[in-house]
Amino acid sequence: DQQVKQNSPSLSVQEGRISILNCDYTNSMFDYFLWYKKYPAEGPTFLISISSIKDKNEDGRFTVFLNKSAKHLSLHIVPSQPGDSAVYFCAARRGDTDKLIFGTGTRLQVFP
Amino acid sequence: DVKVTQSSRYLVKRTGEKVFLECVQDMDHENMFWYRQDPGLGLRLIYFSYDVKMKEKGDIPEGYSVSREKKERFSLILESASTNQTSMYLCASSLYRGAGELFFGEGSRLTVL
Repeated sequence: DQQVKQNSPSLSVQEGRISILNCDYTNSMFDYFLWYKKYPAEGPTFLISISSIKDKNEDGRFTVFLNKSAKHLSLHIVPSQPGDSAVYFCAARRGDTDKLIFGTGTRLQVFP
Repeated sequence: DVKVTQSSRYLVKRTGEKVFLECVQDMDHENMFWYRQDPGLGLRLIYFSYDVKMKEKGDIPEGYSVSREKKERFSLILESASTNQTSMYLCASSLYRGAGELFFGEGSRLTVL
């Protein structure tokens, strides 16, 4: 039972344009969401997070949007850069546990 | 910076061998986690620990055990390795319960022949 889903395994975007990565979840008890970036042969690194009491969080080029009614979150990267090419994982957590449930990942490729 | 160090980046073992994967964090974090990453499946939680000598099962604990004798060290043990345990293993830590953000090590790629 995949509680966190990233339905697009890959995404290709031109440098300078916007990248939009999507994530859906099924458990309405999730109250905290995170995005991680992973390069090959490295561990995931934290990118940005959002609490369920918010609908938007911004950090530089990265913005995460949360739509609780649709159980959907998205990560926007503007402008996209070649160094953003990586696998992006969304993750979710219930307030009563420290377990992060991860999605399957989306491979982003930013081309010149 | 938080440093999570996994002792072996690459291991090759034979079916039936006992395998130890070691993880050390240097920032006095309370929580430590073991995940495995497989293509198309994302990261799945094997075990986690809130404190020394405490452990809790994650979503896929079968075939694994863990040990946390010291706060900074969390070991994953495969008692009898099998080919379906070939994977990338990722250790992570977080500062305290409810902290949210996990800090990951670089991973250990295990191949079981």
